[in-house]
Amino acid sequence: DAKTTQPTSMDCAEGRAANLPCNHSTISGNEYVYWYRQIHSQGPQYIIHGLKNNETNEMASLIITEDRKSSTLILPHATLRDTAVYYCIVRVHGSSNTGKLIFGQGTTLQVKP
Amino acid sequence: EAGVTQFPSHSVIEKGQTVTLRCDPISGHDNLYWYRRVMGKEIKFLLHFVKESKQDESGMPNNRFLAERTGGTYSTLKVQPAELEDSGVYFCASSHRSFATSVYRETQYFGPGTRLLVL
Repeated sequence: DAKTTQPTSMDCAEGRAANLPCNHSTISGNEYVYWYRQIHSQGPQYIIHGLKNNETNEMASLIITEDRKSSTLILPHATLRDTAVYYCIVRVHGSSNTGKLIFGQGTTLQVKP
Repeated sequence: EAGVTQFPSHSVIEKGQTVTLRCDPISGHDNLYWYRRVMGKEIKFLLHFVKESKQDESGMPNNRFLAERTGGTYSTLKVQPAELEDSGVYFCASSHRSFATSVYRETQYFGPGTRLLVL
């Protein structure tokens, strides 16, 4: 079972920031938070990941609370092409660990003009 | 650089037939994963190869499914005999793991999927 909880759906106006929350209250100290998205009919696409520090890349920012029990993915200027299902996933890292991703239901983000 | 490719993109077969799906990972990626989404359900992990060895096959639903990765390059997933409930989208992903500055990095890159319909 997925170890994260996300809202089922969200709307966002084009050009505005999209803030997608995720709860992972049972996260362990060695688990990372990953975000993927799936645009209709495509394979899941990696967005960003982090352990405890906030992270930023060309696609998004990831804000992780100090207790690591929740996080927020921020798309700074959402476009219509960002309409997708967004998945928040926690997973253990390690050279001998399986890297399987456990997908939940995700959040369907609808960006509106 | 070419991404993960999967073949075929679509397959329609009858119950009881055999289907073989193929995945070509990104060159140099030792890790290869199979996932699937059946109708109305979440994306589920099937198995994980490291090079040609099965690291984790805990998600394989039953013995009708056989995955191979001979030579550690491309992988095949065979379903024999196919059942109605096997219909869905089968995704393959590949990755390379690294560890630097106390941080593990592993990004799984997914292919476009194979849409399987069993009639």
